[in-house]
Amino acid sequence: EVQLVESGGGLVQPGGSLKLSCAASGFTFSGSAMHWVRQASGKGLEWVGRIRSKANSYATAYAASVKGRFTISRDDSKNTAYLQMNSLKTEDTAVYYCTRRAAAGVFDYWGQGTLVTVSS
Amino acid sequence: QPVLTQPPSSSASPGESARLTCTLPSDINVGSYNIYWYQQKPGSPPRYLLYYYSDSDKGQGSGVPSRFSGSKDASANTGILLISGLQSEDEADYYCMIWPSNAVVFGGGTKLTVL
Repeated sequence: EVQLVESGGGLVQPGGSLKLSCAASGFTFSGSAMHWVRQASGKGLEWVGRIRSKANSYATAYAASVKGRFTISRDDSKNTAYLQMNSLKTEDTAVYYCTRRAAAGVFDYWGQGTLVTVSS
Repeated sequence: QPVLTQPPSSSASPGESARLTCTLPSDINVGSYNIYWYQQKPGSPPRYLLYYYSDSDKGQGSGVPSRFSGSKDASANTGILLISGLQSEDEADYYCMIWPSNAVVFGGGTKLTVL
């Protein structure tokens, strides 16, 4: 059974940092590109960024709204992807989901999400 | 990044069909992209429903009923999600998505109410 479990969310002050984790199981994590998607309360989905597999040089890409502040990484030995968030703003408050990119560009599995609240 | 336009809300009665649209900006040709559709219910993560490129290139999510189908209206530069035989459990938010380049873009979502 495929599982994605996010953790690391919480309350942080503006300008602070937080690192989210996405623990994967049930599939070949090392061969999969992993993405982060966020959703502010009552709002729509917003793509945050992705990291490709080792075979694709662990290439990363980010949404313009987070580029230069957020960094995605992965540890294939731990089947875990990470989202390092720096210089956080109140508008970064959202539930953050990790998701797996499958064939044809489909996001077929999603975690339950972890809530990040940026507030003073 | 391009903006995908979805009507904020739609409604239909049980047993009827619901046609949800996703309009691409004029500088992006719907014919060149897979259109992905996701369903999200309150308190749950999104669920992949299907993608549609053409009648010969499409895919259905695991366990997704065949009454969910995709299509395109090239004249309107729009992707379409058709839900036939509406059931109360279809009440949810629906999001379209495309991959225009090295990024991913979601539409703003449509809240479907089953009356």
